[in-house]
Amino acid sequence: GAVVSQHPSRVICKSGTSVKIECRSLDFQATTMFWYRQFPKQSLMLMATSNEGSKATYEQGVEKDKFLINHASLTLSTLTVTSAHPEDSSFYICSATTSGGASDTQYFGPGTRLTVL
Amino acid sequence: GENVEQHPSTLSVQEGDSAVIKCTYSDSASNYFPWYKQELGKGPQLIIDIRSNVGEKKDQRIAVTLNKTAKHFSLHITETQPEDSAVYFCAASQTGTYKYIFGTGTRLKVLA
Repeated sequence: GAVVSQHPSRVICKSGTSVKIECRSLDFQATTMFWYRQFPKQSLMLMATSNEGSKATYEQGVEKDKFLINHASLTLSTLTVTSAHPEDSSFYICSATTSGGASDTQYFGPGTRLTVL
Repeated sequence: GENVEQHPSTLSVQEGDSAVIKCTYSDSASNYFPWYKQELGKGPQLIIDIRSNVGEKKDQRIAVTLNKTAKHFSLHITETQPEDSAVYFCAASQTGTYKYIFGTGTRLKVLA
């Protein structure tokens, strides 16, 4: 149980285009989802916390107009990287917590590698 | 705010030996401590976790110990196997916040 999927797993795009990444909780309802960014050989950096039906909370230094997050349902959150540039190239990972607030455990997706040319 | 330090950054052990990774946290309010294993190009997978009301937890070859007074917790892997090779991350959080503070990671290499 507690499986999280991401799509796509890998995307290559041209500079200036927008890219949407989907994060789904497959076998549970997730009231809270998180988006992380990870550079090579580094730890996970939290970008934003997403709650179903409300606006995402962004971490300091993360541009909300650059990284649009939508958490439209209890099983789906999307991250859109707008007007992507080479410096946005990274490994993006989402995670989800089960609903009800009883568990603190975050279950992670497999990640999406974004390469901006 | 919370800060989590993780050591060592790299660790090489012979197959069959034990591996120990240690994390230290700063916020005494933290009460949930998960450990994740991340293989190359994949997302982190939860391998074990511990809450502050417990001093030790074991799951087959993996164990975690917590010292609340010293504010540190450790991951112990016994009888290591080549497939244990990966990057391991510790994290600390407070119940209800869901927000994790991650350690910097330990790259474990098990030599066959």
